[in-house]
Amino acid sequence: AQSVTQPDIHITVSEGASLELRCNYSYGATPYLFWYVQSPGQGLQLLLKYFSGDTLVQGIKGFEAEFKRSQSSFNLRKPSVHWSDAAEYFCAVGESDTGRRALTFGSGTRLQVQP
Amino acid sequence: DTGVSQDPRHKITKRGQNVTFRCDPISEHNRLYWYRQTLGQGPEFLTYFQNEAQLEKSRLLSDRFSAERPKGSFSTLEIQRTEQGDSAMYLCASSAGSETQYFGPGTRLLVL
Repeated sequence: AQSVTQPDIHITVSEGASLELRCNYSYGATPYLFWYVQSPGQGLQLLLKYFSGDTLVQGIKGFEAEFKRSQSSFNLRKPSVHWSDAAEYFCAVGESDTGRRALTFGSGTRLQVQP
Repeated sequence: DTGVSQDPRHKITKRGQNVTFRCDPISEHNRLYWYRQTLGQGPEFLTYFQNEAQLEKSRLLSDRFSAERPKGSFSTLEIQRTEQGDSAMYLCASSAGSETQYFGPGTRLLVL
């Protein structure tokens, strides 16, 4: 079964600084990969996704992520963080070579933005 | 496109009571999913419908849990004889034949 690891439980960055959130997965084939963001008490909003093709994908709110097959990673980046980016970020994988539709999520990284 | 909606947004119940949650997917999305999220964790998959057929069920979905999607549109998730361990956020998502799932705001359940 696939698994997702987000090694950083909590990250604090200053407003305007760059950001990188780490995601590593375990899966036999190339999975479908997603990043979602969740504000307190809210549902999940899709930031970006990777299915195939160009390994650098652009998302909403200025986020991007890069799929690195050799490292089984899909790290999320943003060049300049805004205070409104403070939230919890989840990486998720879906199975690309079975009929299963369930997503497997990491345990999340909470981002705090300092003024 | 009004997004996925869930009702109620919050529910407080006493242990042993039954509760039912409703999810309305994005219009014309034929796939609907239920997840459970406990504090400090990522969502965990519970079950999945394609139209009215329930095609996947997680081992997390004990016999006290039942989900339906009778006409292939909205879905309900019922928990019978609630336990304190059922306290969580219950998230619904939908998709339209792709792998991209769009989530609703969730129903937060507190079992006293």
